[in-house]
Amino acid sequence: GQNIDQPTEMTATEGAIVQINCTYQTSGFNGLFWYQQHAGEAPTFLSYNVLDGLEEKGRFSSFLSRSKGYSYLLLKELQMKDSASYLCAVRGSGGYNKLIFGAGTRLAVHP
Amino acid sequence: KAGVTQTPRYLIKTRGQQVTLSCSPISGHRSVSWYQQTPGQGLQFLFEYFSETQRNKGNFPGRFSGRQFSNSRSEMNVSTLELGDSALYLCASSPEGQNQPQHFGDGTRLSIL
Repeated sequence: GQNIDQPTEMTATEGAIVQINCTYQTSGFNGLFWYQQHAGEAPTFLSYNVLDGLEEKGRFSSFLSRSKGYSYLLLKELQMKDSASYLCAVRGSGGYNKLIFGAGTRLAVHP
Repeated sequence: KAGVTQTPRYLIKTRGQQVTLSCSPISGHRSVSWYQQTPGQGLQFLFEYFSETQRNKGNFPGRFSGRQFSNSRSEMNVSTLELGDSALYLCASSPEGQNQPQHFGDGTRLSIL
């Protein structure tokens, strides 16, 4: 079967660093995406990994280990506006644009 | 550049009815995908269209169908609505290319009474 696991909820303090983990078991692998979704809004693209290693984009970084079926999203210098759900999604062997999403991690940032 | 536009934003139907949702992709994007989002199941892939052809399909019953027009606009249809079809239906478009992300619209919130 296909399975993507993420923690359901996390809390963190403004200004801190938080790491959101994602593990996956899918039929094939053709890339992993991270999306942010604020309540009542559309998911917005954050990052894409297809090779092992770290991709950095400002306050956000994403890491991938294909051999371990593991990724994480690192958010630095947390701001209140970072309170949202973070979705991990894998493009499996079906390719094209069929993404398999995890249930999402709800992050609450407190002052 | 305008984003992905979905209409209507909200819809209320009763069991047994049918519904059609519309999606206009970002200009130049030829791939359109549809997802269902519910609190219990998260985001689940329905189908993808590219150049008016269904290129990929998820594990949903045949009551869920879609199509794409020559201008890349897409519609999805759900027939014989059930209570469990209440969900947020999201449309996403992307340009061609392996590492291109999908861009989502704000969705249509469908409530079945």
